[in-house]
Amino acid sequence: LAKTTQPISMDSYEGQEVNITCSHNNIATNDYITWYQQFPSQGPRFIIQGYKTKVTNEVASLFIPADRKSSTLSLPRVSLSDTAVYYCLVLPNYGGSQGNLIFGKGTKLSVKP
Amino acid sequence: NAGVTQTPKFRILKIGQSMTLQCAQDMNHNYMYWYRQDPGMGLKLIYYSVGAGITDKGEVPNGYNVSRSTTEDFPLRLELAAPSQTSVYFCASSQQGGSYEQYFGPGTRLTVT
Repeated sequence: LAKTTQPISMDSYEGQEVNITCSHNNIATNDYITWYQQFPSQGPRFIIQGYKTKVTNEVASLFIPADRKSSTLSLPRVSLSDTAVYYCLVLPNYGGSQGNLIFGKGTKLSVKP
Repeated sequence: NAGVTQTPKFRILKIGQSMTLQCAQDMNHNYMYWYRQDPGMGLKLIYYSVGAGITDKGEVPNGYNVSRSTTEDFPLRLELAAPSQTSVYFCASSQQGGSYEQYFGPGTRLTVT
């Protein structure tokens, strides 16, 4: 599975747009980029997934450049409730071996009033 | 649908004791997973299952055992508990492997003293 690198932490203020970038230089052709969100004392929750260009849902947008070696999760107008850890994963679109499925440390986003 | 349920929510074990963490899902998912999350860290995969009767090791399987006799249930057994197993344990399920969305349970907080 492709290794990912993302910032350990980020700070923001309510109402700002937050962009979290993830690097995945060795992404494979059949890999998808997936982001999860984890609130304290809860399990992670899927928020968005994409393969190329741009994907948008009610929670976030995901921007993926043509070379797919990085991706940016964009959270518009964050609120205090967006304070969480955000994990970037690069996963194949088929099952295969899940043995090395790893959530890294993620990016701890702190939103201040 | 209840989604993924886990019991118990909290447990304190003495060194050397054994216990079973229960996990059930009602989404008819094929894949199920057990993760552990130590304080301030990401999730590490312990074991996973691709269907009833089929299990395989993840990144940190030592000290644990699993079974998958039904599609719904995926219990995790701790034998001879050690302080190093103090962690929060999350169970998850997905329809397929790879990039398919994983649904997480609320977690079990285990302390071994």
